[in-house]
Amino acid sequence: QQPVQSPQAVILREGEDAVINCSSSKALYSVHWYRQKHGEAPVFLMILLKGGEQKGHEKISASFNEKKQQSSLYLTASQLSYSGTYFCGTGIFSGTYKYIFGTGTRLKVLA
Amino acid sequence: EPEVTQTPSHQVTQMGQEVILRCVPISNHLYFYWYRQILGQKVEFLVSFYNNEISEKSEIFDDQFSVERPDGSNFTLKIRSTKLEDSAMYFCASSEWGYNEQFFGPGTRLTVL
Repeated sequence: QQPVQSPQAVILREGEDAVINCSSSKALYSVHWYRQKHGEAPVFLMILLKGGEQKGHEKISASFNEKKQQSSLYLTASQLSYSGTYFCGTGIFSGTYKYIFGTGTRLKVLA
Repeated sequence: EPEVTQTPSHQVTQMGQEVILRCVPISNHLYFYWYRQILGQKVEFLVSFYNNEISEKSEIFDDQFSVERPDGSNFTLKIRSTKLEDSAMYFCASSEWGYNEQFFGPGTRLTVL
């Protein structure tokens, strides 16, 4: 039931690109992306509300494919500050509506 | 910039004791949430709260947990009889509307001995 993220972990050099995927076995109505640095609270990055929607914030963007029940987060020209664990979050309806986070992707950017 | 605050930052308690974790959500937000993160693991949803009642809760949120908005600013999570496995970081979050951008507090680290 929990959205599965891939890859589980990735190491990049500064300036390289990365893609993080979030796939669900249940229908997705919206997808949120968060970044959590070690020892800190998650920080909201963006929300995607409908199939095919794409959003961007500086060099971080995301897409949402409602039919495939998946979302992808694109990190372009990564910076050291991008290091952290990325979670997708979504509402799942299975009798009742509840919110769950994906399995997480640890990303480390090296200088 | 408005932010969610949580107190205490660290709580140590004995197994079987009751604890109350406190949160002050952002003032114009209507939805409030509690999450738990066991060390090294993912963030887990516990409960959401809207209009002075629970709107959703997870399987984790059993009868030993309760939430309350005792006044216009505080939002509390009570664990009635703590267990060792309740040791975790507890995050409070709030949002203007249901499940749009959620702002997280810094968390309360609960240690049950």
